[in-house]
Amino acid sequence: GENVEQHPSTLSVQEGDSAVIKCTYSDSASNYFPWYKQELGKGPQLIIDIRSNVGEKKDQRIAVTLNKTAKHFSLHITETQPEDSAVYFCAASGGYGNNRLAFGKGNQVVVIP
Amino acid sequence: DTAVSQTPKYLVTQMGNDKSIKCEQNLGHDTMYWYKQDSKKFLKIMFSYNNKELIINETVPNRFSPKSPDKAHLNLHINSLELGDSAVYFCASSQDATSAHTQYFGPGTRLTVL
Repeated sequence: GENVEQHPSTLSVQEGDSAVIKCTYSDSASNYFPWYKQELGKGPQLIIDIRSNVGEKKDQRIAVTLNKTAKHFSLHITETQPEDSAVYFCAASGGYGNNRLAFGKGNQVVVIP
Repeated sequence: DTAVSQTPKYLVTQMGNDKSIKCEQNLGHDTMYWYKQDSKKFLKIMFSYNNKELIINETVPNRFSPKSPDKAHLNLHINSLELGDSAVYFCASSQDATSAHTQYFGPGTRLTVL
């Protein structure tokens, strides 16, 4: 099955700086890569996703890049704010008939005011 | 509000007891899931139902029994609770199970077994 590795496990950044979280996946058939943000005491919420026919996607201060050849994808947060502090999960899932999401272990991002 | 909801939010119980967690989604989705999140935040899928039929059944003790009375509901019953069952349990739903669709998560149920 799919194996998703996520690093670093914790990341501290100064407010206003950028944060980058990297994930690698093992199954070349995976074609959907969502990112979830989990705030304390809440469920994971989708913040951005990318499909394998696209190399980059942006939504305001958040962007995701995908390198299918190298089987890695990254989340970029620019101009970080204290409310960006949370645990971020990357995930991957396969093609037709496989909606099973394989999650990375999560990354604790702390934005220091 | 359209959402995935779970009850209860917190559940504290003694070892050996039987308990249930309920989940409802009003998104009109066909597929629902149960995940377990351990103390290290690792999210692990337990079960998935599509149109009331079980489609994913991970290696989970048979003390855990999911039940889907209809597409909008997926409940989780746990018999003979053990200390190791303490975790946060999340319900999720997605449009269907035939292709990669966004999964929407509920707020979680924190289960503590004493």
